[in-house]
Amino acid sequence: EPEVTQTPSHQVTQMGQEVILRCVPISNHLYFYWYRQILGQKVEFLVSFYNNEISEKSEIFDDQFSVERPDGSNFTLKIRSTKLEDSAMYFCASSQLEQFFGPGTRLTVL
Amino acid sequence: GQNIDQPTEMTATEGAIVQINCTYQTSGFNGLFWYQQHAGEAPTFLSYNVLDGLEEKGRFSSFLSRSKGYSYLLLKELQMKDSASYHCAVSLSNSGYALNFGKGTSLLVTP
Repeated sequence: EPEVTQTPSHQVTQMGQEVILRCVPISNHLYFYWYRQILGQKVEFLVSFYNNEISEKSEIFDDQFSVERPDGSNFTLKIRSTKLEDSAMYFCASSQLEQFFGPGTRLTVL
Repeated sequence: GQNIDQPTEMTATEGAIVQINCTYQTSGFNGLFWYQQHAGEAPTFLSYNVLDGLEEKGRFSSFLSRSKGYSYLLLKELQMKDSASYHCAVSLSNSGYALNFGKGTSLLVTP
C-alpha cells in the first residue's frame, strides 16, 4: 500500500540554525500539506501546496518557513532560523480526498 | 475564528461501545474527518462525512449534522488497541482543503 514517507525521523538542532524536513508524498496525489503538533497539543495546519504553489497557509507559517517541490517526488519544509518554540512533531500529508499522513519528523531545538 | 470542541478524555471497557462527540463552528465547511492517533505516531484516517447522516465502516461509524454543527464517532466492540487519541477535523471551503483539528479525545480502553 502506498504511503507518505518523511526524513529524518528525528532532527536535533541549535537555535538559529536552518533545518530542512523532507517528505515523499504518495505518487498520484496532487495536494500536499505540512502540519505540526507540539507535544501534548493539537495538530496545527501550516501550509498546503497544489500545482507547484502554495494554495493556503496559516498564521504560523511566517517568513521563516518555506516549502518547495524540488523534483517530481520530494516536498520539503525549510525553517530558516529555528526558535525553541519550533520544537514539535512535523507531519507531511498528501491527498486526493482524505489526507494521508507521514510518520513525522520530531524536531528538537536546543 | 474556527472552533472545534471535543471531550479531552474518555474511558470505556473492552467490548463496549463508546461515542465521541464533536461540535464545530467554522467559517466554512467542506467535510468532517475523524483521525486516530496512537501515542508517538501519525494520525491515520478513519472516516469522512460531507452530507448529513451516518457512515459505517466496520466497527467504526461516524455521524454528521451540518445544521447543528455536530458529529460523533462511534466505536463498537472496543478492543485494547483502540486506546488512542481521536481527532475531529473540519475541512474548510477555501482552496487547499486544509484540515482544522480539534484538540483530540484521549480514549482509554480498560479490561
